[in-house]
Amino acid sequence: SQKIEQNSEALNIQEGKTATLTCNYTNYSPAYLQWYRQDPGRGPVFLLLIRENEKEKRKERLKVTFDTTLKQSLFHITASQPADSATYLCALEGANQGGKLIFGQGTELSVKP
Amino acid sequence: NAGVTQTPKFQVLKTGQSMTLQCAQDMNHNSMYWYRQDPGMGLRLIYYSASEGTTDKGEVPNGYNVSRLNKREFSLRLESAAPSQTSVYFCASSVLRGKDEKLFFGSGTQLSVL
Repeated sequence: SQKIEQNSEALNIQEGKTATLTCNYTNYSPAYLQWYRQDPGRGPVFLLLIRENEKEKRKERLKVTFDTTLKQSLFHITASQPADSATYLCALEGANQGGKLIFGQGTELSVKP
Repeated sequence: NAGVTQTPKFQVLKTGQSMTLQCAQDMNHNSMYWYRQDPGMGLRLIYYSASEGTTDKGEVPNGYNVSRLNKREFSLRLESAAPSQTSVYFCASSVLRGKDEKLFFGSGTQLSVL
């Protein structure tokens, strides 16, 4: 069956370090993958999109990689700040789903000062 | 621009009651969606509307109905609420469905069914 997996355990890191979050998927061949940020009590907010033919994409302190062989995306936040504390969701287009976006359960990131 | 606006923010229902969740977007988007979010389950698609005048079932449509009233508004109705429908509901919109478009989400409705 199709599955998207993100680390269910919260990630705790020190301010200034690089946070790395993982998104693994099985039985999908997505054309693209998206990352969202969600703060408590709020809706998700789009951060980055990476296509299957792109290995890496950057936006300010954010970097996303997409390895279609490993079926994995890594999301990096460099020089992390307490304001980066949130839950991060990956989402991809399900195969044969007509563009339906499937979400992982999210990983909570906590950046300590 | 308000983006995507959902009402109400909180609601408590008794089993068997009905209610409608309202959603409106002011970004002239074609596609609109209703998701529910439960702990450990991620966001799951209930219904979507690819364009005005069309609606389709998502992953978990049972117990829900939707209406795409016009291009701006997409409502979700629970005809007879059940405790299993206790969840946080999010409305979202995008320019076009299935064209690697990002989703814009509302702030959610927290629904408790007792």
